[in-house]
Amino acid sequence: DAKTTQPPSMDCAEGRAANLPCNHSTISGNEYVYWYRQIHSQGPQYIIHGLKNNETNEMASLIITEDRKSSTLILPHATLRDTAVYYCIVYFNRAQKLVFGQGTRLTINP
Amino acid sequence: DTGVSQDPRHKITKRGQNVTFRCDPISEHNRLYWYRQTLGQGPEFLTYFQNEAQLEKSRLLSDRFSAERPKGSFSTLEIQRTEQGDSAMYLCASSLSPGGADTQYFGPGTRLTVL
Repeated sequence: DAKTTQPPSMDCAEGRAANLPCNHSTISGNEYVYWYRQIHSQGPQYIIHGLKNNETNEMASLIITEDRKSSTLILPHATLRDTAVYYCIVYFNRAQKLVFGQGTRLTINP
Repeated sequence: DTGVSQDPRHKITKRGQNVTFRCDPISEHNRLYWYRQTLGQGPEFLTYFQNEAQLEKSRLLSDRFSAERPKGSFSTLEIQRTEQGDSAMYLCASSLSPGGADTQYFGPGTRLTVL
């Protein structure tokens, strides 16, 4: 079963920062927080992951709280092409399988 | 660096027919995964290979399903005697392990429609 809780949907204006929350209160010390997104009818696209520290790459930033029980994915300047379902996943690499929940459907409005 | 590729992208078949899908992972990735995604749901794990060895199978993988990775490179997923309930997107992913977090990268998927 998915170990994360995400809002089912969110809206954001184009050009603004999109902040997607995720709760993972039962995360273990050796589990990573992963974010993927899925644009309609395409395969999931890897965005970013982190263990304890905040992370940033060319796509997004990941902010993980100090207690690791929640995190926020930040898309700094959302565009219409960022409209997708965003999945937050906690993953222990020896488990070998990603467990997807329902995700958050993010809609970027012009 | 090419990504994960899957073939075909779409497949329409009649109930009772057999179908086979192919996945080519990212070069040198030793792990390969199959997932299935039905409409409105997130992907669900089916099976996984480390090199040519199939190390885990989900209960979703009934005896009509078989997956192979004969030389530790590409993989095939075969569904025998297809049923309408098999209609779904079949996704393949690959990763390099050991590699820290073992990030999985997905292909575009094969959409199966069983009539």
